[in-house]
Amino acid sequence: EIVLTQSPGTLSLSPGERATLSCRASQSVSSSYLAWYQQKPGQAPRLLIYGASSRATGIPDRFSGSGSGTDFTLTISRLEPEDFAVYYCQQYGSSPPRWTFGQGTKVEIK
Amino acid sequence: QVQLQESGPGLVKPSQTLSLTCTVSGGSISSGSYYWSWIRQPAGKGLEWIGRIYTSGSTNYNPSLKSRVTISVDTSKNQFSLKLSSVTAADTAVYYCARSTYYHAFDIWGQGTMVTVSS
Repeated sequence: EIVLTQSPGTLSLSPGERATLSCRASQSVSSSYLAWYQQKPGQAPRLLIYGASSRATGIPDRFSGSGSGTDFTLTISRLEPEDFAVYYCQQYGSSPPRWTFGQGTKVEIK
Repeated sequence: QVQLQESGPGLVKPSQTLSLTCTVSGGSISSGSYYWSWIRQPAGKGLEWIGRIYTSGSTNYNPSLKSRVTISVDTSKNQFSLKLSSVTAADTAVYYCARSTYYHAFDIWGQGTMVTVSS
């Protein structure tokens, strides 16, 4: 089983600042199957990034994803007030088919 | 626009079977190459994938839950369902249904339904 470890656990930043979130896999992951989600309290997760670097429909371009192999990054170029939330990375493995999620990074207002 | 809605009892007794249904609206569950999954999230914790089904009926389950999980689909009702047997307090969580696409990310989610296991 591939384990995804996200860091930091909490990121305290001010609006307008840049946020860099890390997701490290215990073994190599196909970039095609690495995704990022945003979750706000009381809401379902929202898909931000798929295929490691492709933005989902309607996602602002301040969100970007990068990485390959075991190290992936979600960057929010300039934090807007609505961006303060918990972010999860997720990978899909095909043999056998299963999805795993990281434990999440909370981006909070400093 | 496709939407998902979970339904089912909010309270289940220990050792009983948790049963939830996800209704797909705004499109046919059979159209496109989509998989339909169940995912859960205990309060204050992370996300756990439970299992998925294709409209052909083909299923895959999380190995940690496989012995207790059954996912089925009813294309005539545009629904898919989850059954989790022998529940304990550890199964208390918000349960989400979600759609995954060819790139295996979950692009559409239900709003989630809270299920509490308690006597």
